[in-house]
Amino acid sequence: QKEVEQNSGPLSVPEGAIASLNCTYSDRGSQSFFWYRQYSGKSPELIMSIYSNGDKEDGRFTAQLNKASQYVSLLIRDSQPSDSATYLCAVNDKDDKIIFGKGTRLHILP
Amino acid sequence: DVKVTQSSRYLVKRTGEKVFLECVQDMDHENMFWYRQDPGLGLRLIYFSYDVKMKEKGDIPEGYSVSREKKERFSLILESASTNQTSMYLCASSLTGAGGELFFGEGSRLTVL
Repeated sequence: QKEVEQNSGPLSVPEGAIASLNCTYSDRGSQSFFWYRQYSGKSPELIMSIYSNGDKEDGRFTAQLNKASQYVSLLIRDSQPSDSATYLCAVNDKDDKIIFGKGTRLHILP
Repeated sequence: DVKVTQSSRYLVKRTGEKVFLECVQDMDHENMFWYRQDPGLGLRLIYFSYDVKMKEKGDIPEGYSVSREKKERFSLILESASTNQTSMYLCASSLTGAGGELFFGEGSRLTVL
């Protein structure tokens, strides 16, 4: 059974600090990695994608991928109350199926 | 802007009823997906389609069927609704080769009594 694991949280982070969200996956053949943000009562929205080892930055968001450790993370700098949401990690495996983690709830404390 | 539209935001049905959930996308995407989302269980793939008239089972297809007669429309059918199918249903689409870059509809919350 291919799995994507995330800590369910809640993760509480003071406003202005860095929020660090982590994800591990079981299928070593996984090709592509994604972070989605889901506000309460809303549908998921893609915020970052990463395909190769290393860091990828987009504004306040940085995705980090380490395929050897089967680990992907999302850093949110200068956290804002509007960043409070559930963050879903998703992995596209070698069979081209997309597997989602159960999500980490992030709470930014004003 | 990319748009995925689900026909009903909220539905209440009785056990045994046939339920149709419609999804339309306007981005000319080849790939379409149906997920359900339940607390503590996350997003689970029911069915997906990579082309018109084509469908593939996801992880939890039992009790569901799908139809894709046109590229832009992907329908989820519950032949005989049961209470354990009470859930949030999410439709998504993507371009071929776009991997997991999914665009989601707003969701359809189904309650089966």
